Amino acid sequence: TQLLEQSPQFLSIQEGENLTVYCNSSSVFSSLQWYRQEPGEGPVLLVTVVTGGEVKKLKRLTFQFGDARKDSSLHITAAQTGDTGLYLCAGAMGTYKYIFGTGTRLKVLA
Amino acid sequence: DAGITQSPRHKVTETGTPVTLRCHQTENHRYMYWYRQDPGHGLRLIHYSYGVKDTDKGEVSDGYSVSRSKTEDFLLTLESATSSQTSVYFCAISELGKDQPQHFGDGTRLSIL
Repeated sequence: TQLLEQSPQFLSIQEGENLTVYCNSSSVFSSLQWYRQEPGEGPVLLVTVVTGGEVKKLKRLTFQFGDARKDSSLHITAAQTGDTGLYLCAGAMGTYKYIFGTGTRLKVLA
Repeated sequence: DAGITQSPRHKVTETGTPVTLRCHQTENHRYMYWYRQDPGHGLRLIHYSYGVKDTDKGEVSDGYSVSRSKTEDFLLTLESATSSQTSVYFCAISELGKDQPQHFGDGTRLSIL
C-alpha cells in the first residue's frame, strides 16, 4: 500500500508566524497536488507540481516538489487567520488516480 | 464552483440496512471518484469510474459497490451497512488528461448505528 505521510498532523500558531508542512512518501509520483479543506466542504485545489525540484508560489504560499518526486513541502509566510483549515497533499498514481496524504490541520490564532 | 451535487448530505441508518449515495455532475467530466474521509486517514479511495459502465476498485473497496449508467451519475452502495462504514463520503470528478485537478462535492455524512 502506498502511503503519503504528512507532518505535522496538527499545528496551532499565532497570526504572522511562518510555517512549513511536509508530505513524504517512498513512492515516486508523476505529479503532486495540494488541497485545502474547510469544515463541511470538500477539498479545493491550491496547486499542482509536476517537475522534480519545481517551486510554485501562490501569494504567501510556496510549494516545492522534491527532486526525486517522492516528497513535497508547503511553506506559508506570515500566516493569517484565513489560512486556517485542513491541508492535504495528493500524489498522482498514473493519469487519473491519486493517493491522498493523512492531512495537516492548521489553526491560526488572531 | 464545479457542478457536483451529493445526496443525501446527511444520513443516519442502522447496521445491516442497504444505503445508496448519489453523486451528480453537470460538467460532463469523464472521471468520477468516491472517497471516504476519517480522522487520521485523510481521504481514501473507495471506487472510481473512467467512463459509463467502466469502474474499478480503490484501496478500501470491501463492502462497497458502485454503478455508473450515465456520464453524470455515480452511485455508491453499501449493501449491508456496518458501523465501520460510518464516515464522511466525498465524490470527486476530473477531466481527461494528465495532472488534471479533482473537483469535490461537499460530502455526505453517514452514521451507522
